[in-house]
Amino acid sequence: DIQMTQSPATLSASVGDRVTITCRASQTITGWLAWYQQKPGKAPRLVIYRAATLQSGVPSRFSGSGSGTEFTLTISSLQPDDFATYYCQQYDSFPLTFGGGTKVEIK
Amino acid sequence: EVRLVESGGGLVKPGGSLRLSCAASGFTFSDYNLHWVRQAPGKGLEWVSSISTSGEDINYADSAKGRFTISRDNAKNSLYLQMNSLRVDDTAVYYCASRWLPNDYWGQGTLVTVSS
Repeated sequence: DIQMTQSPATLSASVGDRVTITCRASQTITGWLAWYQQKPGKAPRLVIYRAATLQSGVPSRFSGSGSGTEFTLTISSLQPDDFATYYCQQYDSFPLTFGGGTKVEIK
Repeated sequence: EVRLVESGGGLVKPGGSLRLSCAASGFTFSDYNLHWVRQAPGKGLEWVSSISTSGEDINYADSAKGRFTISRDNAKNSLYLQMNSLRVDDTAVYYCASRWLPNDYWGQGTLVTVSS
């Protein structure tokens, strides 16, 4: 099974900050990686797929990068609506696996 | 409008069974692979099971193997999860999700509570 390790678990930041979340896979996943945003009591929302493709309707301040085993989600200028928990997910092979999540909090 | 609506959750005793349903509308259901993902209270997301468009390819998390059965009815635009031998650690919100990138749709979730 492919293990996904996210860091940090919690991130405290201010509006306007640039934030980066890292996701490491236990083996190469050839770019089949997605990032989700989840707010309390809501279903996850797809933000990035194929490691770097921005989902339709997602603001361009979000970007994804990486390959092989290391991937990042960057928010270039944090906005109030961005405070949420973010999860990476590999869909290279079954079992599909999620990272443990990164909670982006207001500093 | 795309909608995925889960139902069938509730309170059940350890060892009991539940059948979750997910009714879909607003998209061509039979074109999408379908998934169940769960989230225990205060915890992260955990993939449970997936089924291909035809229903021929099915995969389960180790935690679900031998106890849960995923199925779909393309004529009824519905996804199911039969859960048997439920354990306390199966307590979670269960989401159905459909993916055919870039489309990725999720329901609002249904809460399953396993407790004596």
